[in-house]
Amino acid sequence: GAVVSQHPSWVICKSGTSVKIECRSLDFQATTMFWYRQFPKQSLMLMATSNEGSKATYEQGVEKDKFLINHASLTLSTLTVTSAHPEDSSFYICSARVLGGANTEAFFGQGTRLTVV
Amino acid sequence: DAKTTQPPSMDCAEGRAANLPCNHSTISGNEYVYWYRQIHSQGPQYIIHGLKNNETNEMASLIITEDRKSSTLILPHATLRDTAVYYCIASGRGVGSGNTGKLIFGQGTTLQVKP
Repeated sequence: GAVVSQHPSWVICKSGTSVKIECRSLDFQATTMFWYRQFPKQSLMLMATSNEGSKATYEQGVEKDKFLINHASLTLSTLTVTSAHPEDSSFYICSARVLGGANTEAFFGQGTRLTVV
Repeated sequence: DAKTTQPPSMDCAEGRAANLPCNHSTISGNEYVYWYRQIHSQGPQYIIHGLKNNETNEMASLIITEDRKSSTLILPHATLRDTAVYYCIASGRGVGSGNTGKLIFGQGTTLQVKP
């Protein structure tokens, strides 16, 4: 299957600082990227949908000013957690998909473990 | 996007077939059934998807009922490395009015393959 790469795999940051997570589709151009968050022993929760060149669409209850998403190209989307706090510690996962394409499946990155201390 | 229902957990003996059911009784005509699995602390891995016909690939088979209200993922010869949480998702292709292309995850089925 297609490859989606996330960087970094894990990060520890101090409370109040910002952290940027990158998501790249390595061998295909994704029309749409999705960002998820997963807490321990829970399922993935969709945070936002990101289309190249346009503003991201956030799910209800997700603060758009705290979780900044930039989707500058068909192969790169970034999620910046601003002014991180311990409650933002979680597993963040991105997904890339070609909407409407012949191959409709989404591919996921390996995830980023964020720990805020 | 249609809601799916899966049993929370299942056990399977190593080498035997694992049959994972999924109910999606409210699925619409243009929604596909996707299966993913997540091994601990990794991103979900795509397994297979289908619209109405049964599908098979190198990983698994997908059997969709004629009325499309339920499906079964079959791992023909389960190994210990197949132990994971399996997610069944109904989603459109992201074209057409109201078709967002989002993949909304439920709680999934935790499959434990035992020696």
